[in-house]
Amino acid sequence: RKEVEQDPGPFNVPEGATVAFNCTYSNSASQSFFWYRQDCRKEPKLLMSVYSSGNEDGRFTAQLNRASQYISLLIRDSKLSDSATYLCVVTPGGSNYKLTFGKGTLLTVNP
Amino acid sequence: NAGVMQNPRHLVRRRGQEARLRCSPMKGHSHVYWYRQLPEEGLKFMVYLQKENIIDESGMPKERFSAEFPKEGPSILRIQQVVRGDSAAYFCASSLELDRSNQPQHFGDGTRLSIL
Repeated sequence: RKEVEQDPGPFNVPEGATVAFNCTYSNSASQSFFWYRQDCRKEPKLLMSVYSSGNEDGRFTAQLNRASQYISLLIRDSKLSDSATYLCVVTPGGSNYKLTFGKGTLLTVNP
Repeated sequence: NAGVMQNPRHLVRRRGQEARLRCSPMKGHSHVYWYRQLPEEGLKFMVYLQKENIIDESGMPKERFSAEFPKEGPSILRIQQVVRGDSAAYFCASSLELDRSNQPQHFGDGTRLSIL
């Protein structure tokens, strides 16, 4: 089983749609959780950290379920500029620096 | 630009040559990490360094790869006798001093290494 698994995608949605990304992780001792986005041939950029209580930043909502080892990201009212690859990222237990990345899910928002 | 600076952006080498990739962390950051992204794959951790110290190199291939972060100057990832399979994007990230809280890592633009 892969350490971090994401929806393979790609997702193609119209502007204004709501889109959800799912991610599972295998190490129950994982400590920190993030969503990054990566534009084509660019560096990953931190979108948001994910906390057990769930957190929201504008149109973006992230949720963490430690019991199910599941992380989600919801984007509401999607914009053309949201088109990117969304990366689920976890740090394993015992290390709060070794980011473990999923392969990412490509999102294309169409006009 | 106060972000993580990597150079060169693109590097082309022939098999058997050496590749040197440089990374200057964000101002105030003393922790540097290198990751490799193979085509169609996710980023994979390679090494974690602080000034003059290698903290964790568990993701580094056992041969041909080395990394340093000297007291003065950028961090260097060095690949000796490159092979075609080394072709990838190499990303450097930096963070503030680690403590119990989440310290996000900020990434540079990456160096895209192509081996002919």
